[in-house]
Amino acid sequence: NAGVTQTPKFQVLKTGQSMTLQCAQDMNHEYMSWYRQDPGMGLRLIHYSVGAGITDQGEVPNGYNVSRSTTEDFPLRLLSAAPSQTSVYFCASRFDGVGVNEQFFGPGTRLTVL
Amino acid sequence: EDQVTQSPEALRLQEGESSSLNCSYTVSGLRGLFWYRQDPGKGPEFLFTLYSAGEEKEKERLKATLTKKESFLHITAPKPEDSATYLCVMNTGFQKLVFGTGTRLLVSP
Repeated sequence: NAGVTQTPKFQVLKTGQSMTLQCAQDMNHEYMSWYRQDPGMGLRLIHYSVGAGITDQGEVPNGYNVSRSTTEDFPLRLLSAAPSQTSVYFCASRFDGVGVNEQFFGPGTRLTVL
Repeated sequence: EDQVTQSPEALRLQEGESSSLNCSYTVSGLRGLFWYRQDPGKGPEFLFTLYSAGEEKEKERLKATLTKKESFLHITAPKPEDSATYLCVMNTGFQKLVFGTGTRLLVSP
């Protein structure tokens, strides 16, 4: 199992550019999510999905779009990048059954917006 | 407002010097607390889940405990490879996780 994979690992954008951060998991997890991690702050939830075709907003969704066409993939789109979106982005997945289930995180994408 | 506070922000230990990391929380309804380890440039790695006050979990040199207001991560005789940031994460309900800012641990040989 590769677990949760993310590409690219690093990205530099100019203000106003768009891009898609890729995330895939091979654990057949229904629940997938995107977080951003900024210095001095805990991880914050951007968007999440409980299954193919179902997505919802998290704590900081503005400026980001997601879609979930398959169980495996959950891409995050930045529509018009802004310097405030400079951050490290983590994708995560977990089993969505009964109980409290730990999340598995990808290695992250470090994004800089100039 | 649900909140997780970790202390200290940073901790430097000598190899073999035991210590504890603290995670205090205020929440309307705790439904589990997680501890994660995060190495520089990597994603968080799951360590433990604690569900109720009084519960303890152990893994190698790490032991996590939970009370009604706090969780502790005890590190016994740490080694340099234990150096990392340790994150406390509170689960308050459906899809709602609250992350602490972490404790950066450095263990010197």
